[in-house]
Amino acid sequence: EVQLVQSGAEVKKPGESLKISCKVSGYSFTTYWIDWVRQMPGKGLEWMGIIYPGDSDTRYSPSFRGQVTISADKSITTSYLQWSSLKASDTAVYYCARRTTFYGHNDYWGQGTLVTVSS
Amino acid sequence: EIVLTQSPGTLSLSPGERATLSCRASQSVSSSYLAWYQQKPGQAPRLLIYGASSRPTGIPDRFSGSGSGTDFTLTITRLEPEDFAVYYCQQYGTSPQTFGQGTKVEIK
Repeated sequence: EVQLVQSGAEVKKPGESLKISCKVSGYSFTTYWIDWVRQMPGKGLEWMGIIYPGDSDTRYSPSFRGQVTISADKSITTSYLQWSSLKASDTAVYYCARRTTFYGHNDYWGQGTLVTVSS
Repeated sequence: EIVLTQSPGTLSLSPGERATLSCRASQSVSSSYLAWYQQKPGQAPRLLIYGASSRPTGIPDRFSGSGSGTDFTLTITRLEPEDFAVYYCQQYGTSPQTFGQGTKVEIK
């Protein structure tokens, strides 16, 4: 069974760093792309970026390039999304999702990680 | 990037009625690489349709997708109580992939 299990909710202060995770099981981690998607409170879905764990090829949406870092650790079949300095506007739910191919849809999604940034 | 515009923003219908949701792209979507997702409060999106008209295993046949080029439609033939949710279209044929802003289907 394909599963993407994300780390738990986080409450952080502005300026703090954070790394959230997406643990994958049930398929070959290195042969599918993983997307990260943001959903701000009460809003729609925004694509942030993608990684191919096989060779760590990573692409970012222009809106998020330089704001976040996406990575993957093949040894533990986990992808990460990290911030070096959080802002209140980073408050959102973040989803990881498996992409069937580079030009493919998202067939499996993680349950989401709520990140709250507040002073 | 390709902008997807969904209409209407909210659809108020009763169980058993037919729902027709629209997704219009700012430029042609390559090879009909368009998907539809359903999202309920507090849940992750769920894939309903890919390739504009293909249903994954386990998705009821009351959900159907159609369209090509710049105009796409999701139809729910007879709304069940569990179908009241927000629906998003996504194009994945041109990078960056983009989502529509969503259509909320609410109980009338």
